[in-house]
Amino acid sequence: AIQMTQSPSSLSASVGDRVTITCRASQDIRNDLGWYQQKPGKAPKLLIYAASTLQNGVPSRFSGSGSGTDFTLTISSLQPEDFATYYCLQDYNYPRAFGPGTEVDIK
Amino acid sequence: EVQLVESGGGLVQPGGSLRLSCAGSGFALSTYWMTWLRQAPGKGLEWVANIKGDGSDKNVVDSVKGRFIISRDNAKKSIYLQMNSLRAEDTAVYYCARDSNPHRYGHNWDAFDIWGQGTMVTVSS
Repeated sequence: AIQMTQSPSSLSASVGDRVTITCRASQDIRNDLGWYQQKPGKAPKLLIYAASTLQNGVPSRFSGSGSGTDFTLTISSLQPEDFATYYCLQDYNYPRAFGPGTEVDIK
Repeated sequence: EVQLVESGGGLVQPGGSLRLSCAGSGFALSTYWMTWLRQAPGKGLEWVANIKGDGSDKNVVDSVKGRFIISRDNAKKSIYLQMNSLRAEDTAVYYCARDSNPHRYGHNWDAFDIWGQGTMVTVSS
């Protein structure tokens, strides 16, 4: 099974900061990767699929890049509503696998 | 309004069974792959199983293979997760999600664009 890792596991940032989260797959997954945002007590929300395609309605400050084994989620200017946990998900093969998550909190 | 509503969670003893339901409304459920995911208390997300729109293809994670069965009834606009031989490690919030399955150039991706609110399953004596 493909293993997904994320770094950092948590970070503290201020409103307006540029934030970058990295996700790494244990093997080549082409661009078969999505990013999800989850706030406490809520269901996750889809941000990006196909590594870099923004889901409809998601603000343009979110962007994704990468292919193969290394991927990045970038928030260009952190907003108060962006404090949450972010997960990557590989959909290259079964079983699908999430990364362990990156918690973004307020500095 | 497009929405998914899970039900059927609760407290069950180890070795017991539970059947979760997920009812869809506001969209043609029969045309979508649907997925069950779970999240143990304080832990990350785990993909559990999915099922094709017509029910002809299913996949499950190894940790529940032989114990959990995913199914659907498109006439009732619902999907199900039959959970047998439950273990303490199955304790989690269970979510169902719609996969919009976007495609380009003959390639598909997962995109879980609609999620239910989740239903809690607790396995404990």
